[in-house]
Amino acid sequence: EIVMTQSPATLSVSPGERVTLSCRASQSVYSNFAWYQQKPGQAPRLLIYGASTRATGIPARFSGSGSGTEFTLTISSLQSEDFAIYYCQQYNIWPPGTFGQGTKVEIK
Amino acid sequence: EVQLLESGGGLVQPGGSLRLSCAASGFTFSNYAMSWVRQAPGKGLEWVSVISGGGDRTYYADSVKGRFTISRDNSKNTLYLHMNSLRADDTAVYHCAKKTGGQAPLDYWGQGTLVTVSS
Repeated sequence: EIVMTQSPATLSVSPGERVTLSCRASQSVYSNFAWYQQKPGQAPRLLIYGASTRATGIPARFSGSGSGTEFTLTISSLQSEDFAIYYCQQYNIWPPGTFGQGTKVEIK
Repeated sequence: EVQLLESGGGLVQPGGSLRLSCAASGFTFSNYAMSWVRQAPGKGLEWVSVISGGGDRTYYADSVKGRFTISRDNSKNTLYLHMNSLRADDTAVYHCAKKTGGQAPLDYWGQGTLVTVSS
């Protein structure tokens, strides 16, 4: 099974800052990779798929990059509504579409 | 607008059974594979099961294989998860989610329904 490892576990940032989250796969998943955002009490929301394509309605401040085993989610200027937990997922091998353990972005 | 609404969660004793439902609307239900993903309290996301659009192919996480059964009724636009032999570590919010394609992410999720396994 492919293991997805996210770093850091928690990120403390101020509004307006640039944020970079990382995710590493234990073996290549090519570009079959997604990022999700989850706010407390809400369903996860698809942000990025294909490693770098924004899902419908996702603001341009969110961008994804990487391929193979190393992936990055960048938020260019953090807004108050962006404080949440972010999960990565590989779907190169389905099932299971394994998730990372999450990175919590909190207010500094 | 795509909507997924789960129901059927609740408190159940260890060894008990429960059936979850997910009512779908806003898309052609039978054209898409559907999945269940769970989240234990304070924990991350764990994929549980997936079913093809026609319902002929199903897959399960090792942690639930032999105990859970996924099914769907395309005439009712509804997804199900039949859960037997429930254990304390099955306690979680269970989300249903729509899959965009074969090798694809989950593009829409429901809010989830809480299952608590406790005596």
